[in-house]
Formats: sequence, C-alpha cells, structure tokens
Amino acid sequence: GQNIDQPTEMTATEGAIVQINCTYQTSGFNGLFWYQQHAGEAPTFLSYNVLDGLEEKGRFSSFLSRSKGYSYLLLKELQMKDSASYLCAVRDGDYKLSFGAGTTVTVRA
Amino acid sequence: GAVVSQHPSRVICKSGTSVKIECRSLDFQATTMFWYRQFPKQSLMLMATSNEGSKATYEQGVEKDKFLINHASLTLSTLTVTSAHPEDSSFYICSASTGTGDSNTEAFFGQGTRLTVV
Repeated sequence: GQNIDQPTEMTATEGAIVQINCTYQTSGFNGLFWYQQHAGEAPTFLSYNVLDGLEEKGRFSSFLSRSKGYSYLLLKELQMKDSASYLCAVRDGDYKLSFGAGTTVTVRA
Repeated sequence: GAVVSQHPSRVICKSGTSVKIECRSLDFQATTMFWYRQFPKQSLMLMATSNEGSKATYEQGVEKDKFLINHASLTLSTLTVTSAHPEDSSFYICSASTGTGDSNTEAFFGQGTRLTVV
C-alpha cells in the first residue's frame, strides 16, 4: 500500500489563508490529486499535479515536489463554505488512487 | 467534467439480505471502475478495481464472495453486498476512469450510497 500523511484538523478565520500539507511514499507515481468532501457527500475534484511546481485554480492552488514526496493545497480568501474535509490522493504505478485520511478544515467567522 | 451516477443514494436493509449498488458513467466509456468504502470520519478505502469484461481485482482483506462486483459494460458496474450484516453499514462510493493511458484523467466519483444494515 501507499503511505499518505496529512494533518487531521486545521482551523482558520474567514478571509485568511490555509495550507494543507501532504507527504507520500508510493511505488510508481502517476499524479497527485486533491479533493474536497463535505460530510455525507462524495469527494469533488479540486486539483491535479503530475509535474513539479504550482498549479493555480482560482482561490485554490496545489504544489508538488516529486523528489520530496510532498504536496500542499493552498486555500486563499477562506469562506465559510470551505469548511470541509480535504483529501490528498496519490495515483500509483498501477493507476490506483490511494487516499490520505483527510484534513478537516474549520473556517470561523 | 464527466458524470458518474450511483444508485441508490441510501438504502436500509435487514441483516442477512443482499443489496445491489449500481455505478454508471453517463457520458463516457469507463474501462476501469473503482469501489471504495468509507467509515465515519475515515478516508476512502479502495475495495476493488473493476475492469470491463474481466474479473474484479480485490484489495487485501476484502472478501470477494461477500462483495460481488460485475462490470458487464463500459458504462455500468455493480457492487452486491451479500448476506449483509450491521458491520457492513458504511458509505460506498464508486469512481470511474476513462483509461489508464491518459495521466491527466481525474477519477470521477459517484454520489455515494449510504448503506445501513439493521
């Protein structure tokens, strides 16, 4: 299996920035994904990185360093609706996705 | 993005009965579908990988005789939980991929099925 680590919980204030780190060890690598999941719902796709560097998509950005086995998801201008679980997932050499345990982000007014 | 439809969204069944969950790709052909299980406040755990026209590949610890997977066409995969017990109560989610050759493809998820066994 894969080892994917991310913090369990993070709290931030509305309008602030939060960075969720993810470290991984995998056999083969075919991309790293970030998903948002609200309670009781399926994950929704946020971002995809396969090359090193930063991918920016509106208020959300994701960074990847393959040599370090490291990624982060950056959420800017936090809104209350951003309160959710954020899942880091790595696709291995067999194109299977393995998920981290998720980071619960709580946005406070 | 592509749409994956999962049905039913919620099901309550009696202990000992079987439940079938369907996963359909609505606007693309899914050569591979994945079935996940998620317990409360835990992440998604891959149960099995389903390829059209062949037997599913199960992850370690997942009983293939209990969780029957059929991928009869490029747009439909089914998961049948046989002889369900209360410990099988969970959130089951499918995802579909357009193919292993395109590394830009994200996995598209169904809406999930909340199974409660009483």
